[in-house]
Amino acid sequence: GDSVTQMEGPVTLSEEAFLTINCTYTATGYPSLFWYVQYPGEGLQLLLKATKADDKGSNKGFEATYRKETTSFHLEKGSVQVSDSAVYFCALSDPLGAGSYQLTFGKGTKLSVIP
Amino acid sequence: DAGVTQSPTHLIKTRGQQVTLRCSPKSGHDTVSWYQQALGQGPQFIFQYYEEEERQRGNFPDRFSGHQFPNYSSELNVNALLLGDSALYLCASSLGNQETQYFGPGTRLLVL
Repeated sequence: GDSVTQMEGPVTLSEEAFLTINCTYTATGYPSLFWYVQYPGEGLQLLLKATKADDKGSNKGFEATYRKETTSFHLEKGSVQVSDSAVYFCALSDPLGAGSYQLTFGKGTKLSVIP
Repeated sequence: DAGVTQSPTHLIKTRGQQVTLRCSPKSGHDTVSWYQQALGQGPQFIFQYYEEEERQRGNFPDRFSGHQFPNYSSELNVNALLLGDSALYLCASSLGNQETQYFGPGTRLLVL
């Protein structure tokens, strides 16, 4: 079945440091890939997505490129801020047929950014 | 434009009881999916409703059931609660056959 593997956390960075969170996936079809962010005590917010190979998703300084050859979708940001402290989830959406999609998530990576 | 809303925000129940959680989708969306997020884990797919029918179901027992109303809002019912049902329950909405899902803030359920 489909699965998503993220790097183990927690990750602690100083403000303005470079961020990489690794994500790899296994899927039988041709999934779309997503990054969601969860701030403390809240639900998930869509951060970015990519729907086909070599697509780059970007939002709020974060970006990730859909790499089919390495089945990866690593999240990067050039300069993190304290406000980026949250849990980040990588997910894939595989079509189930009849226009239905199910999200499969990784376990999440907690990021803490210190001033 | 209202996003996905869920109620209640928090709930405490005891083992064996039954619970109903509610979700209103984002304006214009007609598909609702429910996920369970245990502490420290990623969300797990429970089921999806479209046109008032359960369209897909994940690996959850029959104690978990749902309903979708004509206005596209949805309920998640869990019977015979177990301690292991303690989790954050997330509702997500989407439009028809589009794959991007938008999440609500969740309902945190504690089973004692």
